[in-house]
Amino acid sequence: DQQVKQNSPSLSVQEGRISILNCDYTNSMFDYFLWYKKYPAEGPTFLISISSIKDKNEDGRFTVFLNKSAKHLSLHIVPSQPGDSAVYFCAAAETSGSRLTFGEGTQLTVNP
Amino acid sequence: KAGVTQTPRYLIKTRGQQVTLSCSPISGHRSVSWYQQTPGQGLQFLFEYFSETQRNKGNFPGRFSGRQFSNSRSEMNVSTLELGDSALYLCASSPPLQWAGEETEAFFGQGTRLTVV
Repeated sequence: DQQVKQNSPSLSVQEGRISILNCDYTNSMFDYFLWYKKYPAEGPTFLISISSIKDKNEDGRFTVFLNKSAKHLSLHIVPSQPGDSAVYFCAAAETSGSRLTFGEGTQLTVNP
Repeated sequence: KAGVTQTPRYLIKTRGQQVTLSCSPISGHRSVSWYQQTPGQGLQFLFEYFSETQRNKGNFPGRFSGRQFSNSRSEMNVSTLELGDSALYLCASSPPLQWAGEETEAFFGQGTRLTVV
């Protein structure tokens, strides 16, 4: 039972445009959501998080939106840069600091 | 501050053997979690240790086990290796929460790439 799903295995965008990565979850106990970026042969690195009391969190070029009623979150990257090309994982937890449940990942490719 | 360190980085084992992977968390972090990454499956949670106690366990067979030492370093062991155990094994450590509801994240090591032949 996949509690966190990223339905797009891959996404390709042009440099300078917006990248939108989507994530859906089924467990209503999830209260804290994170996005990680992963390059080949490296461990995931934290990008941005959001708790369920918010619907938006921004950090520079990265913005995460949370729609609790739809159990959906998205990561917006504006403007996209070639260095953003990586696999992006969505993760959820019942509370901050507790075990993470990850999605399958989305391979983002930003073309120059 | 040193990051999460996993050793070895690469490992090749034969079916039926057993393997032990090591993880040293960031100094001061007491929570250590292990994940398995395989193509198309994302990261699957194996188990979490906190203060030498297993606090949480994922849906993996008993061949997968772990432990944590008093210095928070952790090891995971896989016995009777199967071809399907070939994966990237990632360890993550988390800082102690200063207050309930504090937002934090898990910090990952570079992983151990295990190949079972």
